[in-house]
Amino acid sequence: AQSVTQPDIHITVSEGASLELRCNYSYGATPYLFWYVQSPGQGLQLLLKYFSGDTLVQGIKGFEAEFKRSQSSFNLRKPSVHWSDAAEYFCAVAARSSASKIIFGSGTRLSIRP
Amino acid sequence: GAGVSQTPSNKVTEKGKYVELRCDPISGHTALYWYRQSLGQGPEFLIYFQGTGAADDSGLPNDRFFAVRPEGSVSTLKIQRTERGDSAVYLCASSHGQGLAGASSDTQYFGPGTRLTVL
Repeated sequence: AQSVTQPDIHITVSEGASLELRCNYSYGATPYLFWYVQSPGQGLQLLLKYFSGDTLVQGIKGFEAEFKRSQSSFNLRKPSVHWSDAAEYFCAVAARSSASKIIFGSGTRLSIRP
Repeated sequence: GAGVSQTPSNKVTEKGKYVELRCDPISGHTALYWYRQSLGQGPEFLIYFQGTGAADDSGLPNDRFFAVRPEGSVSTLKIQRTERGDSAVYLCASSHGQGLAGASSDTQYFGPGTRLTVL
């Protein structure tokens, strides 16, 4: 069965600092990979997705993620965080045979230190 | 344009009661999804509609949960004999619904959710 692991429950970084949120997945084949963000009172918003091709994916709000097949990882990065980036971040996967069913990780809460 | 809307935003009910949660997808989206998000967890897939039919209902936890989409637009999630463990935020999403062939461009857009509390 597919699974997604986000090992960090809560991360605090200073405004302007770089950010990396970790995500590992378990699946027999390369799945589709996603990062979503959820702000208080807001719906889930797609930041970026990997389906095939270039393993470095650019998303909205200055985020990027790199798919590393050898490590089964899809870590999210941002070179300089802003206070507005404080939110819950979810990594997610979908099997290529059932792309409509997304499996989410348990999330990483990001706090920004002024 | 308008996004996915869900009503009510909050619902408080008593154990054993019946509840209905409504989802209005983005106009023109043929695919619709229901998820459940418990406190401190990521969303958990419940069911996926393509048009009026449930294409995948493997995430429904038991037969107390049922969802319909009679005209291929609005969907209603129905929970019978509610239990305290059903308390969660129920999320709805919609997408263009191109299916597997078009999955690379079929982004799911989420609504704000309905917070269900079962006392």
